[in-house]
Amino acid sequence: AQSVTQLDSHVSVSEGTPVLLRCNYSSSYSPSLFWYVQHPNKGLQLLLKYTSAATLVKGINGFEAEFKKSETSFHLTKPSAHMSDAAEYFCVVTYNAGNMLTFGGGTRLMVKP
Amino acid sequence: DGGITQSPKYLFRKEGQNVTLSCEQNLNHDAMYWYRQDPGQGLRLIYYSQIVNDFQKGDIAEGYSVSREKKESFPLTVTSAQKNPTAFYLCASSIKTVEGGYTFGSGTRLTVV
Repeated sequence: AQSVTQLDSHVSVSEGTPVLLRCNYSSSYSPSLFWYVQHPNKGLQLLLKYTSAATLVKGINGFEAEFKKSETSFHLTKPSAHMSDAAEYFCVVTYNAGNMLTFGGGTRLMVKP
Repeated sequence: DGGITQSPKYLFRKEGQNVTLSCEQNLNHDAMYWYRQDPGQGLRLIYYSQIVNDFQKGDIAEGYSVSREKKESFPLTVTSAQKNPTAFYLCASSIKTVEGGYTFGSGTRLTVV
């Protein structure tokens, strides 16, 4: 069965410092990977997706993620955190262009002034 | 603009009552999904439908029911059999294959009073 693990349930950074949210997926052929963001009491918004094209994927709001097959990782990064980045982030996987997504448990990002 | 509309945004239910949450999409997506989200937890799949007049149970279907009479609509009924219905409910849709990910609604917060 496909699975995805977000290694940190909470991450706290200071405004202006880099953000790293970690995600590992279970090894399989042809994964598609996504990062979603959820602000309080809102739906989920797609930040970026990897679907076997370039391994470094750029998303919205300055976020990017790198697909590393050898490490089965898809970590989300941003060079400089902004207060508005404080939210819950979900790493998501599907395999072989299937029609079901598997969600990680989420990482809550807190940004300190 | 295309999107998914969930209504109402907030819903209060007395114990023993059934309530129905609405989800409508105008994206011409084939598949629709219902998720439940509890505080500090990830998303859990309740039901999904890949085509009109067909739907499948997800991981936590007990106490819930759905229908898919139209492509655009996928209402969720929370029945009195659901022992702990207070949660945030998210509806999503996708094309048949999910390379593009899901599009989410803005959610309905259900509270039992």
